[in-house]
Amino acid sequence: QKEVEQDPGPLSVPEGAIVSLNCTYSNSAFQYFMWYRQYSRKGPELLMYTYSSGNKEDGRFTAQVDKSSKYISLFIRDSQPSDSATYLCAMSERGNNRLAFGKGNQVVVIP
Amino acid sequence: GAVVSQHPSWVICKSGTSVKIECRSLDFQATTMFWYRQFPKQSLMLMATSNEGSKATYEQGVEKDKFLINHASLTLSTLTVTSAHPEDSSFYICSASPSTPGRYGYTFGSGTRLTVV
Repeated sequence: QKEVEQDPGPLSVPEGAIVSLNCTYSNSAFQYFMWYRQYSRKGPELLMYTYSSGNKEDGRFTAQVDKSSKYISLFIRDSQPSDSATYLCAMSERGNNRLAFGKGNQVVVIP
Repeated sequence: GAVVSQHPSWVICKSGTSVKIECRSLDFQATTMFWYRQFPKQSLMLMATSNEGSKATYEQGVEKDKFLINHASLTLSTLTVTSAHPEDSSFYICSASPSTPGRYGYTFGSGTRLTVV
């Protein structure tokens, strides 16, 4: 079983819809949870950073972490064509800088 | 804050030559730098981790003699692909982290697209 599972299936939504992405993980030592956005031929850009369980909201983005279920989610409200990108979940243990990544979801927001 | 600059953004080289990629942390001291490789439509694959002043730690299956990593200062790490071959063509990305990562600990460069012909 991979440390981080993210269904890599592409996702197409109409503009204005809510995008819902999620990852599951197996390592209970993960403490830091991140979502990155990656445009084609660019490096990943940190979108959301959360520590342990709970919700975090930043503008149209909401990140949720449920450590009991080993499940994290990212929601994008009022999606825009500019949100079209690949979204990667990542996580790490306390005291360990190494990131474990999901495979990424390609999201296409159709105008 | 937390800006990582990576150069060049793309490079084409002939088979058998070497290519150097630079990764600089512009506004923080990068105690640790990571080098990743990414194939089309795939996630990032960690190649090696380097700490300033120490030898890099390579992931299993990554040839350390082929992918030379130098992290001589707290703001600069370099990856040199030696004797490049077409199968080395890929997207290489660096990431830098201060000693206490915190909120901005995992900042990525913009990536380098290497094409070996």
